[in-house]
Amino acid sequence: DGGITQSPKYLFRKEGQNVTLSCEQNLNHDAMYWYRQDPGQGLRLIYYSQIVNDFQKGDIAEGYSVSREKKESFPLTVTSAQKNPTAFYLCASSIVLTTDTQYFGPGTRLTVL
Amino acid sequence: GDSVTQMEGPVTLSEEAFLTINCTYTATGYPSLFWYVQYPGEGLQLLLKATKADDKGSNKGFEATYRKETTSFHLEKGSVQVSDSAVYFCALRVVNNDMRFGAGTRLTVKP
Repeated sequence: DGGITQSPKYLFRKEGQNVTLSCEQNLNHDAMYWYRQDPGQGLRLIYYSQIVNDFQKGDIAEGYSVSREKKESFPLTVTSAQKNPTAFYLCASSIVLTTDTQYFGPGTRLTVL
Repeated sequence: GDSVTQMEGPVTLSEEAFLTINCTYTATGYPSLFWYVQYPGEGLQLLLKATKADDKGSNKGFEATYRKETTSFHLEKGSVQVSDSAVYFCALRVVNNDMRFGAGTRLTVKP
């Protein structure tokens, strides 16, 4: 089955530590995205990538970093510079950047202790 | 900028009741419109979409019609089930631009 996987499902981090969230897709999609979801709010775009070795900042990129070394992988690092990192993080992909439909992974819930 | 506004929740209904979740949008171009559903602890799933004015998207008994004159894309279902309990997100996308999501509406259906 094709799809998007995110790991881990739950992640705990101490303040001041960097942490990396995994996102893998086997849909052969060129475009990938990271969103942050906070309670009672919609999704906010952190970073997106159109193709391998290319990525662009979204609305709330400060305190985050990404890489796109492989088509199927788009890991997100939450750095210690992110002031309020506790949230639900969702990865998505689409065939190309301009394609309407995005497909989402199951999400990772990050809690900073 | 492009944005979506959807009705605040939570919405609580009894099984077999009629559901309407309102969604209105603001866009500079001609957006595609979407409804996504999020079940507890999961990612978002595309429920339905419409790409031009007067199109009706439908799936699993849910429907929404793209109304350009009222800039709306309200979600409806004639008879909800307990399994429909979830958070519903309205979203839009203008070509070459980002997806914009509403804040989400939590629906709880009681037996």
